[in-house]
Formats: sequence, structure tokens, C-alpha cells
Amino acid sequence: DTEVTQTPKHLVMGMTNKKSLKCEQHMGHRAMYWYKQKAKKPPELMFVYSYEKLSINESVPSRFSPECPNSSLLNLHLHALQPEDSALYLCASSQDPSGIWNEQFFGPGTRLTVL
Amino acid sequence: GQQVMQIPQYQHVQEGEDFTTYCNSSTTLSNIQWYKQRPGGHPVFLIQLVKSGEVKKQKRLTFQFGEAKKNSSLHITATQTTDVGTYFCAGLIRSGSARQLTFGSGTQLTVLP
Repeated sequence: DTEVTQTPKHLVMGMTNKKSLKCEQHMGHRAMYWYKQKAKKPPELMFVYSYEKLSINESVPSRFSPECPNSSLLNLHLHALQPEDSALYLCASSQDPSGIWNEQFFGPGTRLTVL
Repeated sequence: GQQVMQIPQYQHVQEGEDFTTYCNSSTTLSNIQWYKQRPGGHPVFLIQLVKSGEVKKQKRLTFQFGEAKKNSSLHITATQTTDVGTYFCAGLIRSGSARQLTFGSGTQLTVLP
């Protein structure tokens, strides 16, 4: 299984809602990532988990809260988002915990719209 | 901050023509990766270059890493409509004790039949 899955595929939420994005991989990868991608822009790194511990937080607002329950799962909890947070949220994983020497496998993404 | 610049931003070619995208960094890269993202899709890994001056080929795609490890290029020979998408380079930049994978701005390729 060389796939990263993400749910839901689409999400529409209001600014007062609380929602969660989910990501799963069964490749035994020890690094998992959250990226945000706006239209016609490159992916922007948000968080990196290495061996289930948060290793990088790229100054992301606290309304985004990541969680790594186990080595296969990664969640992104959303609360009190702003319309400008609307984007494609990509999850990725890589075998090398430093994420350096191995390719990153991306999931299909969750397209988020904040009203 | 440290950035990885990519040009051109857009490229329209006739099917059968060649295409090249260039990636430049102001700082030395530990390695460089290339990804392709089809319209409506997600980035898919193409290749990784590690050594100075390295050249790798995948069928019609040729990837190069500069001698100074500050630039890279992707060349596609005789483009096909299946090559349509956005091509991103992603450079590994050392920042203190950490290393960060930074994506270039991408080149969106359109192939006209």
C-alpha cells in the first residue's frame, strides 16, 4: 500500500465551527506533514511530525491544531477559521524522519472552504 | 527568508516542442526534488538529485543539479498532452541545525495539441 488517504475530500465550514481533517498512511513512514496550498501557489509547510512528535511548526496560527495519535494517523483540528484559510490542505509522509533523503508521498488533499 | 525561485511561471508549448523549467536558490541546497501536480491533483514525486553536477533521465525528462548545488533544471523533450501540469522543484535548505524542504513557485505547463 503506497497510498496516503485523506478525509474528507471537501469541507465547507463557518467561522465558528470546529472540524477535523484526517490523514492515514500504512507505508510505515515515520514522518508526516501538513501543507496548505492556495490556488496556483506551491505547497506551504505547516507542521512536521517525526516519530509521532511535533518537530516543526511553521508559525501556524493556533486555530490550527495538529495531532498524531499513532504512527499511521495525522489529524488537523480546525477552530474559528477565517475565510482566508480556505485552501487545499495536503497531508504527506516520508520514510526518513528528517524528510530529507526520501520522497514525500502526498495525499489527495482536503479542499476547505470557510464561509 | 530563504527562497527557491522557479522560472518561468507559465509556459505554453505546442505538442512535440521541448520545455525547460529552472530552479534557483540563493543558498546551497543539500538536495533537490522535483514534483509534478496535475490540474486538480496532488504533487507526485518525480526524482531527487543529491550530487553536484548530477544528471538523471527518465524517458523524455532530463534533470540536472548545478555544480554549485544552487540551481537545477527539468527538461522535457517532445512534450505530450500528458505532460500538462505544474512542475515544482523542492530544495533542501540548511537553517542552523535544521534542514527544511522548500518548494519553488512552480511552472505551469500547458501543451497544445
